[in-house]
Formats: sequence, C-alpha cells, structure tokens
Amino acid sequence: GDSVTQMEGPVTLSEEAFLTINCTYTATGYPSLFWYVQYPGEGLQLLLKATKADDKGSNKGFEATYRKETTSFHLEKGSVQVSDSAVYFCALSDGVGTGGFKTIFGAGTRLFVKA
Amino acid sequence: IAGITQAPTSQILAAGRRMTLRCTQDMRHNAMYWYRQDLGLGLRLIHYSNTAGTTGKGEVPDGYSVSRANTDDFPLTLASAVPSQTSVYFCASSVKTGSNTGELFFGEGSRLTVL
Repeated sequence: GDSVTQMEGPVTLSEEAFLTINCTYTATGYPSLFWYVQYPGEGLQLLLKATKADDKGSNKGFEATYRKETTSFHLEKGSVQVSDSAVYFCALSDGVGTGGFKTIFGAGTRLFVKA
Repeated sequence: IAGITQAPTSQILAAGRRMTLRCTQDMRHNAMYWYRQDLGLGLRLIHYSNTAGTTGKGEVPDGYSVSRANTDDFPLTLASAVPSQTSVYFCASSVKTGSNTGELFFGEGSRLTVL
C-alpha cells in the first residue's frame, strides 16, 4: 500500500541555518504531496502542497519540489527562525483503490531552532 | 472563527468505559476524518466519511465506531476503552471527496488517557 517515509528527528539547528527534511513516498497512483506543520498544543495545518510531478510548493520561506523520478518531496528553508520550531509531517493523498481519497502521513520530524 | 471544534480537550478514562469524542465543523465540508497520533507513528486514519450518511474504515478501525447523521458532526465512540487507545485524537475535514488535491483542516485534538 501507499506509504510515506521521512527522516527521523529531532533536528536541532541554530537560527538562520539551512533546513532540509527528507521525505520519500510509495504510491500506486498519482498522488498529491503535502507538508503539514504542527505547532505545540495545536492541530496540524497545511504548510505547502504539490499536485503533480515537477511542481514546487512554497509558503513562508519553505519549499518542496515533487520529484517523481526519485519519489521524493524534501522540505527546505534557507534560513530558519526560532518560530519555525514545530513538528513537520510529509503526507500524500491518493485515490487509487477502494474507499476514495485518503491522506497518509509520515511519522513526523520535530525541529528545534535555537536562538 | 470558522473551523473544527473538538471536545473534550483532554480526558482520563478507566478501562472498559464508553467514551465519545465530539467533532463539529462549520465549514460545510463534505468529508470528515478521525486520526490518532502516536509518537513515532505519525497520524493513522481510524474512520472517515465522504458525505453525510456514509462512513468507512481507515487503517486502524478496531475498537472504534463513528456516525455521520449530518454534514457538521462526526463523533467517534470507543465502546469499551483499552489502554492501547491512549492517544491524541484529531478530527479533520476536507472540501472535496472526489479529488486528491484538497487540504485537510484539523481540530486542536483530544488527548485521551485510558488507565
């Protein structure tokens, strides 16, 4: 079945450092790919998405490119801030198979940014 | 503010007791979902509903039931709670049921502890 694998955390960076969180996926069909962010004590919220191969999603300085050839959707940010400290989830949505379209999440990567 | 409301925020429950987690949305979204979040496992889908009057099983449905009597409400019931159901539960919704491009909107979660 479909699955999402993302790098284990926690990731600890100093402010203004470059961030990469790796994400790879397996899917039967042609999924859309997402990054969600969860701040402490809150629910998840969409950070960015890409719906087809070679699309780049971007928001709040974060970027990720849908790479079909490597089945990857790595999250990057050029200069992190303390306020970026959160848990980041890679996810896919694929409608192939029974049950309609459902979203599958990776295990999450916790990011700590030090001042 | 429009969105998803979950209740209770937190609950401690004795094993064997029945518990219903409530979820209400005011965005008139067709699809609703229940996920559980466990450390190292990310979010796993328990049950979903593509539209009022229909429900389906997700990845980990055993021990849980749902109903969807109307568009706005999607309660999750634990008929006889067990300690392995200790988790944080998130309700979510999405606009589209026939597409894989839509984002999920999450509530703030219900933390359940079963002793």
